[in-house]
Amino acid sequence: EAGVTQSPTHLIKTRGQQATLRCSPISGHTSVYWYQQALGLGLQFLLWYDEGEERNRGNFPPRFSGRQFPNYSSELNVNALELEDSALYLCASSFRGQPYNEQFFGPGTRLTVL
Amino acid sequence: QKEVEQNSGPLSVPEGAIASLNCTYSDRGSQSFFWYRQYSGKSPELIMSIYSNGDKEDGRFTAQLNKASQYVSLLIRDSQPSDSATYLCAVAGGDYGQNFVFGPGTRLSVLP
Repeated sequence: EAGVTQSPTHLIKTRGQQATLRCSPISGHTSVYWYQQALGLGLQFLLWYDEGEERNRGNFPPRFSGRQFPNYSSELNVNALELEDSALYLCASSFRGQPYNEQFFGPGTRLTVL
Repeated sequence: QKEVEQNSGPLSVPEGAIASLNCTYSDRGSQSFFWYRQYSGKSPELIMSIYSNGDKEDGRFTAQLNKASQYVSLLIRDSQPSDSATYLCAVAGGDYGQNFVFGPGTRLSVLP
């Protein structure tokens, strides 16, 4: 069974640009979560999508947005990039119907803002 | 503000010893508890899930949960240098267990 996939692996942008990150969940999983992990820091919850809708978002500005497609894949968009957006962006998927909602992570996209 | 705290690291243990990692959480309504291992520069990997009070063993790993004390721990027996990583505690609540909160992590070093 294929795991969570993310693309691209690395992304280099300059301040003010936009970045788009993509995630494909494990087959059968309907929920996608996005997290930001800045260097040396913990995981910060960004967004949760389930069945095509945004269900919850963390304490991030509106320039962080995303969507979930009918096939449950998801993309994260970051507008007006700032230097402090440089981080590892992690996507995780789960199946909301399972009792305990284990989340499985993809390999991440490392975003560097210059 | 739902919080998850972990013992500050780094934690160093000799090869073959037992490593003990601790986690406390603030939300009494939390339903499920997870331990992830994260190697430097890599993504977190789920190693243990526990939902009921008591112990759960999987190979060299034992998770312990005490909901009354709002405490969850991970024991690693016969620690190996390959266990050197950051260990993240995650606590989930909500109708579907979807509200994950991660702790800051504890870095473990197993010395040969």
